[in-house]
Amino acid sequence: QVQLVQSGAEVKKPGASVKVSCKASGFIFTNHWMHWVRQAPGQGLEWMGVINPRGDVTMYAQKFQDRFTMTRDTSTSTVYMEVSSLRSEDTAVYYCARDNSVITTGASWWWFDTWGQGTLVTVST
Amino acid sequence: SSELTQDPAVSVALGQTVRITCQGDSLTTNYASWYQQKPGQAPVLVIFGKNNRPSGIPDRFSGSTSGNTASLTITGTQAEDEADYYCNCRDSSGGVWVFGGGTRLTVL
Repeated sequence: QVQLVQSGAEVKKPGASVKVSCKASGFIFTNHWMHWVRQAPGQGLEWMGVINPRGDVTMYAQKFQDRFTMTRDTSTSTVYMEVSSLRSEDTAVYYCARDNSVITTGASWWWFDTWGQGTLVTVST
Repeated sequence: SSELTQDPAVSVALGQTVRITCQGDSLTTNYASWYQQKPGQAPVLVIFGKNNRPSGIPDRFSGSTSGNTASLTITGTQAEDEADYYCNCRDSSGGVWVFGGGTRLTVL
């Protein structure tokens, strides 16, 4: 079955880096863009960015254009989100999600049909 | 603007119908998708496109769009529908995606 399995929880000190992984299975990995979404404790979902199937095109929300880097390894069907210079406000659950889309000359739509289980990153002294 | 606005909280009596709305300029060009999130769980897709449900989502969930407002309607709300609901859409220029702030649904 279609599945995204993320790496385990991390505890980091301020200023350190973290790299969260998301391993895909059950579908053709190179057919799908992949998104990352963040959720701070008690807060809503924030779209962070997306990476294309080959891994050579990325798009970030303005808030995540510095310190955040998405990559993907097609040989292992894995996408990564690396966060550098961690701050306490980066404490959150990070989700990966698979993209699907229908694009027409009229309306278009995108949806995230499969999500990873989430990875809690805690930044604390 | 790529912002999406949702009411923070909505309540509904068990068995009744509730509409959760999402407003934004991008909705005049692109359809929204809707996600249900229960405490401690990953979000789950419930509606996408004009009004499409993934397999496994009950047909009491439906979606619609009028102008710059997308709506998620739950007909015959069940206790298990109590959750946070988020809309999402890509901005009109084909750039970034954005989530609404979320609506907490309470079933009375």
